[in-house]
Amino acid sequence: QKEVEQDPGPLSVPEGAIVSLNCTYSNSAFQYFMWYRQYSRKGPELLMYTYSSGNKEDGRFTAQVDKSSKYISLFIRDSQPSDSATYLCAIVRQGAQKLVFGQGTRLTINP
Amino acid sequence: DVKVTQSSRYLVKRTGEKVFLECVQDMDHENMFWYRQDPGLGLRLIYFSYDVKMKEKGDIPEGYSVSREKKERFSLILESASTNQTSMYLCASSWDRSYSNQPQHFGDGTRLSIL
Repeated sequence: QKEVEQDPGPLSVPEGAIVSLNCTYSNSAFQYFMWYRQYSRKGPELLMYTYSSGNKEDGRFTAQVDKSSKYISLFIRDSQPSDSATYLCAIVRQGAQKLVFGQGTRLTINP
Repeated sequence: DVKVTQSSRYLVKRTGEKVFLECVQDMDHENMFWYRQDPGLGLRLIYFSYDVKMKEKGDIPEGYSVSREKKERFSLILESASTNQTSMYLCASSWDRSYSNQPQHFGDGTRLSIL
């Protein structure tokens, strides 16, 4: 079983829709959670970083963590064509430096 | 903003060549990482370094080595390139290891083709 599972998609939605991207993980030792956005031919760019259960909001983006279910989500409100990218979740254990990445979900926002 | 710079965006080399990929970060980060990214396999850690002249193997170190002679620079070396090393290579850095769980910041990658 992979340590973190992420549906690779592809996911295609119309502009303005609310997008939900999800990851599940297997080990409760993972305590820190990140979302990266990767445009084509570019490196991953950090979007959100959180360590507590609950929601963290940044503009149109909301990261949600449910440690009891080992489930993390990224919501994008009022999605724009510029949000079209691959979104990767990443998790890390307390005290560790190595990130464990999901496979990434390819998202397309259609005008 | 953190800047991680990889020396080449695209590189084409031949089987058996020794290949050097260079990475420089400008934020005085202690930790540096090399990954490869392949379709369907995601990001896989090759090597990382916590300090100058220090290195640790990641999940797929075979066929690779690294060098960290200066804090800001981390090099990935393919000792004898093979076609199965054709991939996107990504360098990343993060803050001091005592500040655990710091997010990593990535460069834009080197797309390496081995012919």
